[in-house]
Amino acid sequence: DTEVTQTPKHLVMGMTNKKSLKCEQHMGHRAMYWYKQKAKKPPELMFVYSYEKLSINESVPSRFSPECPNSSLLNLHLHALQPEDSALYLCASSQRLARGPTDTQYFGPGTRLTVL
Amino acid sequence: SQQGEEDPQALSIQEGENATMNCSYKTSINNLQWYRQNSGRGLVHLILIRSNEREKHSGRLRVTLDTSKKSSSLLITASRAADTASYFCATVPNTGFQKLVFGTGTRLLVSP
Repeated sequence: DTEVTQTPKHLVMGMTNKKSLKCEQHMGHRAMYWYKQKAKKPPELMFVYSYEKLSINESVPSRFSPECPNSSLLNLHLHALQPEDSALYLCASSQRLARGPTDTQYFGPGTRLTVL
Repeated sequence: SQQGEEDPQALSIQEGENATMNCSYKTSINNLQWYRQNSGRGLVHLILIRSNEREKHSGRLRVTLDTSKKSSSLLITASRAADTASYFCATVPNTGFQKLVFGTGTRLLVSP
């Protein structure tokens, strides 16, 4: 199984709502990533987890809160978002975080988020 | 910004033609990867070339890497309508953890 799944596919939320994005992989990967992608732009890294511990936070606002409850799951909790946070949120995983022969990242299909 | 640049930004060709996309980057790298993204979907890994390699092939894909010029190119031969997508190069810097730094992307349109 080389699939990364993400739910929901689409999410519309108001600025006062609290919602969560979910990501799951069963490839035994120990590094998982959240990216944000605006239209016609490349993905931008938000967070990286390695062995269920937060390794990289790319200065993301606190209204985004990541969580890695186990090696297969990655959540992104959303609270008090702004309209400019509307984007495609992509999850990815790789075997390890450290550089090596298995540097490929596997991406999920993304969650299209709209903040009203 | 560490972000790489790709050109062209957009490319429109006919089926059967070859498509060439170029990527330039700024820092010393461990490897460079190319990804494809169909409209509004996740990215699919295409090919990885290491800093000590100069050329790599995978099916209809040919990737070159020139570390002295900090540039790479992706050639898709005999293109098909199904190749229509955005293509991103991504570099893994030579320091620190594996962290993909994406280029700006090339939008490829292949017409039947």
